[in-house]
Amino acid sequence: DAKTTQPNSMESNEEEPVHLPCNHSTISGTDYIHWYRQLPSQGPEYVIHGLTSNVNNRMASLAIAEDRKSSTLILHRATLRDAAVYYCIPTGTASKLTFGTGTRLQVTL
Amino acid sequence: EAGVTQFPSHSVIEKGQTVTLRCDPISGHDNLYWYRRVMGKEIKFLLHFVKESKQDESGMPNNRFLAERTGGTYSTLKVQPAELEDSGVYFCASSQRDSGGYGYTFGSGTRLTVV
Repeated sequence: DAKTTQPNSMESNEEEPVHLPCNHSTISGTDYIHWYRQLPSQGPEYVIHGLTSNVNNRMASLAIAEDRKSSTLILHRATLRDAAVYYCIPTGTASKLTFGTGTRLQVTL
Repeated sequence: EAGVTQFPSHSVIEKGQTVTLRCDPISGHDNLYWYRRVMGKEIKFLLHFVKESKQDESGMPNNRFLAERTGGTYSTLKVQPAELEDSGVYFCASSQRDSGGYGYTFGSGTRLTVV
């Protein structure tokens, strides 16, 4: 499994953009980059995933470096409901998710 | 569509007793996964079903844990006999495909406390 490095915590003001970085320098060529988040007392929630190109969905955007050794999850306008632990998980054909410690995002008014 | 359903949401049992956790995946999802988080640790993979077959059970901690998925629909995870270190939150997830190109939907989890 590819090793990932994420900041332990980040803070953001409400309605401001948030960029959550992840380094995955040992990612294999066929691994997708998944992002999940876990709100308090809930199960992990799928956010977005990509392979090489940047991706957008209703929740977030995913920017993937050209060499794929890092990626950034972008929340365009953080809300209080976005306060959670965010996990960056390279995932290959083995398909099981290997969770790290993630980044705890705090959003304040 | 209905999400992944797990029950019970909470269970408190005494050491040595048996507990069975249930997971109902999203209808049509052939792939079902079990994960757990024990206190202070990261979420860890337990096993993966494709329909009724165990595809990968490398994360099962020991033979006190038995997972089944009869008929390829819902799954159960039985712990017998339960030990104190089995306390934690058990999550179930399902997906349409077993490749990294698809997202996984998780249930809210079952919080198991062994006393």
